[in-house]
Amino acid sequence: DQQVKQNSPSLSVQEGRISILNCDYTNSMFDYFLWYKKYPAEGPTFLISISSIKDKNEDGRFTVFLNKSAKHLSLHIVPSQPGDSAVYFCAASPSNDYKLSFGAGTTVTVRA
Amino acid sequence: GAVVSQHPSRVICKSGTSVKIECRSLDFQATTMFWYRQFPKKSLMLMATSNEGSKATYEQGVEKDKFLINHASLTLSTLTVTSAHPEDSSFYICSARYLTSGSRETQYFGPGTRLLVL
Repeated sequence: DQQVKQNSPSLSVQEGRISILNCDYTNSMFDYFLWYKKYPAEGPTFLISISSIKDKNEDGRFTVFLNKSAKHLSLHIVPSQPGDSAVYFCAASPSNDYKLSFGAGTTVTVRA
Repeated sequence: GAVVSQHPSRVICKSGTSVKIECRSLDFQATTMFWYRQFPKKSLMLMATSNEGSKATYEQGVEKDKFLINHASLTLSTLTVTSAHPEDSSFYICSARYLTSGSRETQYFGPGTRLLVL
């Protein structure tokens, strides 16, 4: 049972524009959320995280928004750059465990 | 961020042989490491949690006798795929649990190991 869902398998965006990646979760026990970026044949790289006590966290070009009532989070990348082309995974963990549940990933392609 | 290495990055072996993959946390101590498997165009599937000094905890459906995990030190965990078969061919990724003061922990991932069993 997929507890973390990324319903858009791919996203294409023009360089300089905003990339918006969405993630939904079903487990109400999740209280910590992370975004990872992954290039082919490499391990995921941690990007940004957010705790359920916040609804927004910003780090440079990356901002994560959390809507707890909707069980939805999103990652905004602005402005998008060619080096941002990668697969982005949403992950979540509950308060009583440190295991991460991952979404299926969204492949972002930034067009020049 | 914290650095996690994996070795080898790629391995090709014959069916029936065993393959050992190492995962090291280079600049921090990790009491807990995780082993994942990724199938093509799929998400990361957690296989097991490796705890330093104790037995690993395996996820449902993962054969512990097939995938042997040893976490002998605070910086090293190994995954041994025993009697490998072609269906074991996959991308194996480890991660290490990293605790920072004042914030929630996260996991830092190794670069992964591509296993091909002929």
